[in-house]
Amino acid sequence: DTEVTQTPKHLVMGMTNKKSLKCEQHMGHRAMYWYKQKAKKPPELMFVYSYEKLSINESVPSRFSPECPNSSLLNLHLHALQPEDSALYLCASSQVRGRGGEKLFFGSGTQLSVL
Amino acid sequence: AQSVTQPDIHITVSEGASLELRCNYSYGATPYLFWYVQSPGQGLQLLLKYFSGDTLVQGIKGFEAEFKRSQSSFNLRKPSVHWSDAAEYFCAVGLNYGGSQGNLIFGKGTKLSVKP
Repeated sequence: DTEVTQTPKHLVMGMTNKKSLKCEQHMGHRAMYWYKQKAKKPPELMFVYSYEKLSINESVPSRFSPECPNSSLLNLHLHALQPEDSALYLCASSQVRGRGGEKLFFGSGTQLSVL
Repeated sequence: AQSVTQPDIHITVSEGASLELRCNYSYGATPYLFWYVQSPGQGLQLLLKYFSGDTLVQGIKGFEAEFKRSQSSFNLRKPSVHWSDAAEYFCAVGLNYGGSQGNLIFGKGTKLSVKP
C-alpha cells in the first residue's frame, strides 16, 4: 500500500464552523506533512510531524491546529477560518524527516471552500 | 536565500513531440533536486530526484532530467510526449540543513498542454 488517503475530498464551511481534515498512511512512514496550495500556485509547507512530534510550524495562524494521534494518522483541525483560507490542502508522508532528499508521497488533497 | 525558478508558466506541445521544461535553482550547498507532476485536483507524484552521482537522472513515465551545476539548472526532458502527460510540473529543492531540513521549496510550476 503506497497510498496517502485524505478525507474529505471536498469541504465547504462557514467562518464560524469547526471542521477537521484527516490523513492516513499505512506505509510505516514516520514523517507527515501538511501543505496548502492556492489555485495556480505551488504547495506551501504548513506543518511537519516527525515521530508524532511537531517539528516544523511555518508560522501558520492558530486557526489551523494540527494533530498526530499516532504514526499513521494526521489531522488538521480548522476553526474560524477566513475566505482567503480556501485552498487545496495536501497531506504527504515520507519514511523519515530526512536530510532533504526524502521522497514525499502525497494524498489527493482536500479542496476547502470557506464562505 | 534558496529559490527555484521555472521560467515557463505554460507550454503547449504536440503529441509525439519532444519536451523540455526548464528549472533553475539558487542554493548554497549541493542541492537535492526533484521534479513532481500534478494532475488537476490531485496530489503530487515524484517523477525523479537528484543529489549526487550521474548528472543525467532517469525517472518514471519516460522522463529524464539533467543536472548542470555550472548553469544551476535541472531541466526535465521527454523524447516523445503523450496526451496523458498534460499536467502541472513542479521543480523543487530539498533543504538539507538547519531547522527547515527536509523541507521542499517548489517553483511556481509549468503547465503542460498536449495538442493531438
